[in-house]
Amino acid sequence: GAGVSQSPSNKVTEKGKDVELRCDPISGHTALYWYRQSLGQGLEFLIYFQGNSAPDKSGLPSDRFSAERTGGSVSTLTIQRTQQEDSAVYLCASSPGPPGSNQPQHFGDGTRLSIL
Amino acid sequence: DAKTTQPPSMDCAEGRAANLPCNHSTISGNEYVYWYRQIHSQGPQYIIHGLKNNETNEMASLIITEDRKSSTLILPHATLRDTAVYYCIVAGSARQLTFGSGTQLTVLP
Repeated sequence: GAGVSQSPSNKVTEKGKDVELRCDPISGHTALYWYRQSLGQGLEFLIYFQGNSAPDKSGLPSDRFSAERTGGSVSTLTIQRTQQEDSAVYLCASSPGPPGSNQPQHFGDGTRLSIL
Repeated sequence: DAKTTQPPSMDCAEGRAANLPCNHSTISGNEYVYWYRQIHSQGPQYIIHGLKNNETNEMASLIITEDRKSSTLILPHATLRDTAVYYCIVAGSARQLTFGSGTQLTVLP
């Protein structure tokens, strides 16, 4: 079956521009997660959605980052006024149930964001 | 969530079983052990998870010690495509998965 789909797979943009990253979770998965992975680093948690709600946004690195989810499905991560330190691979994951339900997260292949 | 300790690297001959160890001595009663792997330029791939009983699926087997302080992921017949970084993660109610450094498994022809 279809896995988590992320687009674009690669994005190169100039410093100061806004970018939107899209995630299509596995159909029926109620929980959706955003992480980022910098070169040679571990995964940094950004935000998670249960349905359309994001109970905790404290993982977002700054107020330039925002995310939304509509219809309990597609999610968009927006970075405004991009900076070079935003360069990373942005990963999305989804799971059938909420955190604590012990159901695994399934990841997409990410969007590789490069800020010039 | 409990911290895990894994060897930084391991080699395995193609066709042989790969046994990847993980220590999680501070695991608590409601925390599961998850295994993921990441091949270069791809997202992490879920492999298997378990609480206290041994688990097997089409990809691998997971052996958890009786005291739950350690576990072993077994790839029964390793292939070159199994070369990846393997992550052992202990997670309970926390919303995010915390990935450590993992084990770089290299399957040799």
